[in-house]
Amino acid sequence: NAGVTQTPKFQVLKTGQSMTLQCAQDMNHNSMYWYRQDPGMGLRLIYYSASEGTTDKGEVPNGYNVSRLNKREFSLRLESAAPSQTSVYFCASSEEGSRIYYGYTFGSGTRLTVV
Amino acid sequence: GNSVTQMEGPVTLSEEAFLTINCTYTATGYPSLFWYVQYPGEGLQLLLKATKADDKGSNKGFEATYRKETTSFHLEKGSVQVSDSAVYFCALTGNQFYFGTGTSLTVIP
Repeated sequence: NAGVTQTPKFQVLKTGQSMTLQCAQDMNHNSMYWYRQDPGMGLRLIYYSASEGTTDKGEVPNGYNVSRLNKREFSLRLESAAPSQTSVYFCASSEEGSRIYYGYTFGSGTRLTVV
Repeated sequence: GNSVTQMEGPVTLSEEAFLTINCTYTATGYPSLFWYVQYPGEGLQLLLKATKADDKGSNKGFEATYRKETTSFHLEKGSVQVSDSAVYFCALTGNQFYFGTGTSLTVIP
């Protein structure tokens, strides 16, 4: 099925461990995004990539790094996980020119717990 | 700057009740407005959208009208079902998407 695929779906980390969240889209979209969702906070943008080879910080980038590996893939890395990074992470993609008409397509999320 | 304010939840309704979830926005220019729905354990799905003032977006019995004079985009449904239980997010486009904090809806039989 076409869309945005995130892996893994669930992960438990110990404080200080590192991990990479993977995201891939097969809709040939130029733009990709990483959000975190926390109770009462809605969705907050961590990083985004407007096109292959570019990345920019969003609202809450501290403690994260990203890589736009190619047009399809956009990964999010936690170098040293902290309990404050316990959250649900969503990847999304859009076609820049048609975003105002079609919005974003979201993945199903990664539920991360840092203990 | 751009922002979206949604009514606080959670909202609990009986089946077949009328639903309104309020959404107001602050924006420069002429943004598009969206409602997304998130079912338990899933990602966000586009529910409906409106791209200019006075447009009405509709889908699955839900409706919302882009009101520039009141800067609002309230979500309505005439008769909710148990399957409508989800979290609803209002959003607008600027140079990026701006999301509200979400409103949880539970529909009881």
